[in-house]
Amino acid sequence: KAGVTQTPRYLIKTRGQQVTLSCSPISGHRSVSWYQQTPGQGLQFLFEYFSETQRNKGNFPGRFSGRQFSNSRSEMNVSTLELGDSALYLCASSLEALRGTGELFFGEGSRLTVL
Amino acid sequence: AQKITQTQPGMFVQEKEAVTLDCTYDTSDQSYGLFWYKQPSSGEMIFLIYQGSYDEQNATEGRYSLNFQKARKSANLVISASQLGDSAMYFCAMREGRRGATNKLIFGTGTLLAVQP
Repeated sequence: KAGVTQTPRYLIKTRGQQVTLSCSPISGHRSVSWYQQTPGQGLQFLFEYFSETQRNKGNFPGRFSGRQFSNSRSEMNVSTLELGDSALYLCASSLEALRGTGELFFGEGSRLTVL
Repeated sequence: AQKITQTQPGMFVQEKEAVTLDCTYDTSDQSYGLFWYKQPSSGEMIFLIYQGSYDEQNATEGRYSLNFQKARKSANLVISASQLGDSAMYFCAMREGRRGATNKLIFGTGTLLAVQP
């Protein structure tokens, strides 16, 4: 079956612009979470959604926002981009179940460069 | 506070040899899960193995095994018979709470493994 799909894979923006990243989870997965990966800060949790509701949020400024649609697809938005927002943004989906490991399945990421 | 520590920034191993990647964690929660992920240069995070805090047996998945020492709060990954394709960044991660409650993972800083022929 198809994996987690993230679009776009690469994008370049300038400071002050805004960006929207998209994530399509594995079919049947209702949980989607987002992570930011930078050389300096490593992998950091942004937020997670389950059945269109934000379930948890990381320690990021309000410029970072997200949402989840009824088909479980998710988007995240970053407004007023700063140089420090340059990163690999990873989306992960999970099958919510009490059995199994509940591992997260990650997409290949969207690499954002802010100039 | 919850924290994952990986003290080995980089490691070399000869092909066909075994290698151990270290991971220690800190949590006050009784219920948690520990994961290892592999990240090749392509960027995708690949799930390798999982250990639940209440699991009494060490987890194994093919050439991967997890040496879980709960009292020491360590969850080392052992890769047996290393292959050239194992060269990648390896991350240890922890999820606090029971399965299904959250998918927030705390990641370590990673270990870059290079397998030499």
